[in-house]
Amino acid sequence: AQSVTQLDSHVSVSEGTPVLLRCNYSSSYSPSLFWYVQHPNKGLQLLLKYTSAATLVKGINGFEAEFKKSETSFHLTKPSAHMSDAAEYFCVVSDSNFGNEKLTFGTGTRLTIIP
Amino acid sequence: ETGVTQSPTHLIKTRGQQVTLRCSSQSGHNTVSWYQQALGQGPQFIFQYYREEENGRGNFPPRFSGLQFPNYSSELNVNALELDDSALYLCASSGTGTEDEQYFGPGTRLTVT
Repeated sequence: AQSVTQLDSHVSVSEGTPVLLRCNYSSSYSPSLFWYVQHPNKGLQLLLKYTSAATLVKGINGFEAEFKKSETSFHLTKPSAHMSDAAEYFCVVSDSNFGNEKLTFGTGTRLTIIP
Repeated sequence: ETGVTQSPTHLIKTRGQQVTLRCSSQSGHNTVSWYQQALGQGPQFIFQYYREEENGRGNFPPRFSGLQFPNYSSELNVNALELDDSALYLCASSGTGTEDEQYFGPGTRLTVT
């Protein structure tokens, strides 16, 4: 079975400093991987997705992630944090290459931005 | 384009009761997935419906059941509610194209007392 492990339950960074949210995956074949963000009282929003194309994936709001097969990692980064980035972030793996089938979520990382 | 909507927003039920949650999919989408998100956890896949048929199920007991209607809207039914069923229930819709992602609704917060 496929799974993802988010290595930090809570990350705090100062506004304007880089963000790093860590995710490792386990899969018996080349996975499709995603990062979703959940703001309070709002639905989950897709930030970016990796589906076996380029290993460096750029998403919305300045976020990007790099797929590293040798390290089984898919860490999310942003060069400069903004107050509006404060939210819960989920690393997700899909059963399919399309992302429209069963999604398996990590336990989430809460990102806090310090003014 | 209308996004995914869910109703009700919140509800409170008593243990042993039954509940029905509703989801309207995004225009043009024919697939609906349901997820349960317990407090402080990531969402867990309950099941998926494609063109009115169940198309995959997670590790949930049979008292969790669903329907999808010809207009692709969907219902999640939970019988014999237990305290552990208290959670945020999320609905997501998608198409079947190779680039289609799942679009999530805001969820229904269910509290079982």
